[in-house]
Amino acid sequence: GESVGLHLPTLSVQEGDNSIINCAYSNSASDYFIWYKQESGKGPQFIIDIRSNMDKRQGQRVTVLLNKTVKHLSLQIAATQPGDSAVYFCAEIQGGKLIFGQGTELSVKP
Amino acid sequence: DADVTQTPRNRITKTGKRIMLECSQTKGHDRMYWYRQDPGLGLRLIYYSFDVKDINKGEISDGYSVSRQAQAKFSLSLESAIPNQTALYFCATRGPADTIYFGEGSWLTVV
Repeated sequence: GESVGLHLPTLSVQEGDNSIINCAYSNSASDYFIWYKQESGKGPQFIIDIRSNMDKRQGQRVTVLLNKTVKHLSLQIAATQPGDSAVYFCAEIQGGKLIFGQGTELSVKP
Repeated sequence: DADVTQTPRNRITKTGKRIMLECSQTKGHDRMYWYRQDPGLGLRLIYYSFDVKDINKGEISDGYSVSRQAQAKFSLSLESAIPNQTALYFCATRGPADTIYFGEGSWLTVV
């Protein structure tokens, strides 16, 4: 079936560097994508979203890029901080269902 | 009060027992979802509901059932719990503008 997947299971970055987390999706009909942050034992926390009629969307320190040609989504975190350490999931809306990818664990080294 | 409330937050149950996880929301959203999360993995969709009369199976519905008692309430049942259903379970709602709210999760351990 259709699924949303991530390229890398773990990512380690130095504090202050920029982080890029990638996600591949397979359902070309999906029109809404979301990035979530999840800390241990807690529920997913909304970070940023993007609709398929956009290529880029920026928030505070975060940017989401959508490449529909290759069905690729990325999350960029500027000036990564220790508090950004968490697991990050991309998700998409497929026919009313919210489907999550596998997740990438981001570790920030001081 | 939280937008989405899950009860119980933690439960240990024995193999073969029936267990119900409850979810209630104050957002007035029609769409509600149940997910399970295993350690190191993403959230997998168990069941979802678009309104009281519309309930659908997700990716991993075997061994589970749901009940949408009212717009605000969506319960997940394990009819006969087994150890591999030990997981963290999340309820979520989705509003008209695709705003999504998650509960804080219910830890279930089946021994």
